[in-house]
Amino acid sequence: QVQLVQSGAEVKTPGASLKVSCRASAYTFTNYYIHWVRQAPGQGLEWMGIINPRGGATSYTHRLHGRVAMTRDTSTNTVYLLLSSLRSEDTAVFYCATSYDSSGYTHFDHWGQGTPVTVSS
Amino acid sequence: QSVLTQPPSVSGAPGQRVTISCTGSSSHIGANFDVHWYQLLPGAAPKVLIYANSNRPSGVPDRFSGSKSGTSASLAISGLQAEDEADYYCQSYDSSLSDWVFGGGTKLTVL
Repeated sequence: QVQLVQSGAEVKTPGASLKVSCRASAYTFTNYYIHWVRQAPGQGLEWMGIINPRGGATSYTHRLHGRVAMTRDTSTNTVYLLLSSLRSEDTAVFYCATSYDSSGYTHFDHWGQGTPVTVSS
Repeated sequence: QSVLTQPPSVSGAPGQRVTISCTGSSSHIGANFDVHWYQLLPGAAPKVLIYANSNRPSGVPDRFSGSKSGTSASLAISGLQAEDEADYYCQSYDSSLSDWVFGGGTKLTVL
C-alpha cells in the first residue's frame, strides 16, 4: 500500500522560508510523480507544482511567482517542498500526492496526511 | 477564485440522491481533459472518488458516479448516508495555465 508520510506542523513568521518533507514507501519511488497541493483555511485546494523523482524535473504554478521549489532525495525516498518569503496568506495545510504520469489527464491517487503551516507574526 | 466552478453547498436526506456540478471552459474540461473528484472528510487527506470522468477506484461504493459533457462534469451520490457528509472537489487540467486546477469545493450536508 503506497504511503506518503509528511513532516509535522510548522509555525513561521512572515518573510521566513518553509521546508516540508514527504517520505514515500511501499512502492518504487521513481515510478510516480509527486505533486504538492495546499488548502488555506476556508478555501479550496490549490495545486502548487510537480516533481519527477526519477530525474528531478519540476514544474510550478506561476501563481507562486518563483517562491516555490521542489527537490527530491532518492536515497531516502523523500520529496521536499520549499516556499520562501512567507506571508500570512500562505497559512494552509500542505499535501503531497502521487500521480502515475505528468499528463493533463492524470489524477492524484495517493495523498500524504497533510502538514499544517501557520504564518503569523 | 477557483478555475472550476462548483456550488458551495448541497444537501439531501438519507437515502436520497444528490448531484454536484463542476463547470469549466474550453481551456480545461472543454479541451477534453479528464475530470476527477475527491472527497475530503474532516481532518483527513483527500481521497479520490472518481477518476477520468466516470471511473471508480476499487473500494469506492457504486453509489458514487461521475459524468462529463462539454465544459461541465457532475458527481452523483445516490442512497445518501450520514458518512457521506464531507467536502467534494472536482479537478482537471488547464492548458492555458499549464496547471492542474480544482473547483472551489462543495460541502455536502446529510439532513
